[in-house]
Amino acid sequence: DAGVIQSPRHEVTEMGQEVTLRCKPISGHNSLFWYRQTMMRGLELLIYFNNNVPIDDSGMPEDRFSAKMPNASFSTLKIQPSEPRDSAVYFCAISSGGPYNEQFFGPGTRLTVL
Amino acid sequence: KNQVEQSPQSLIILEGKNCTLQCNYTVSPFSNLRWYKQDTGRGPVSLTIMTFSENTKSNGRYTATLDADTKQSSLHITASQLSDSASYICVVNLEGQAGTALIFGKGTTLSVSS
Repeated sequence: DAGVIQSPRHEVTEMGQEVTLRCKPISGHNSLFWYRQTMMRGLELLIYFNNNVPIDDSGMPEDRFSAKMPNASFSTLKIQPSEPRDSAVYFCAISSGGPYNEQFFGPGTRLTVL
Repeated sequence: KNQVEQSPQSLIILEGKNCTLQCNYTVSPFSNLRWYKQDTGRGPVSLTIMTFSENTKSNGRYTATLDADTKQSSLHITASQLSDSASYICVVNLEGQAGTALIFGKGTTLSVSS
């Protein structure tokens, strides 16, 4: 969990409600990633930013999902309207590049949509 | 299709015993292979990273091997401890790409019992 703060850690909401997940990376990175993890599909990349600019959002499942990174120390992932199939653990990860492009994950937000 | 397959899906061993987890991949072009440990309720944490020219790398009681010819990797855990109970995820990095380059396996869940 080094270097990444995610909030909330747990979120329970009803179908149709808007959900906003937050990520606060510690400085020293240049890339930020949003992942979704489910038992069935494992970890899936949703979107990633490089120097605060969205580079690839091809993993975003549909228009109900959107992500922003207004500055280097904050990013949000929004789901509107939420659906039960969105229930998963959402991770934010950061990377400073380098030869291995190593990524450091936050603790995740467990989302349950009823 | 780029894929990472892990086996077994789950494993139960007694404390103090050794175990080996397997990872087969069909990813090309290959850059590096990582093993992550994910404790329950936490984000994945990197254990080892190997490039195609490295065939073994150790991190304490964890030793990863890589056979780039057969596209297989293994993670060997020596003298297991209760704290080794976790999910172990094999991840392959596509060469030449940054954020969207990671192909994740679904993980092996290891339970170490006393």
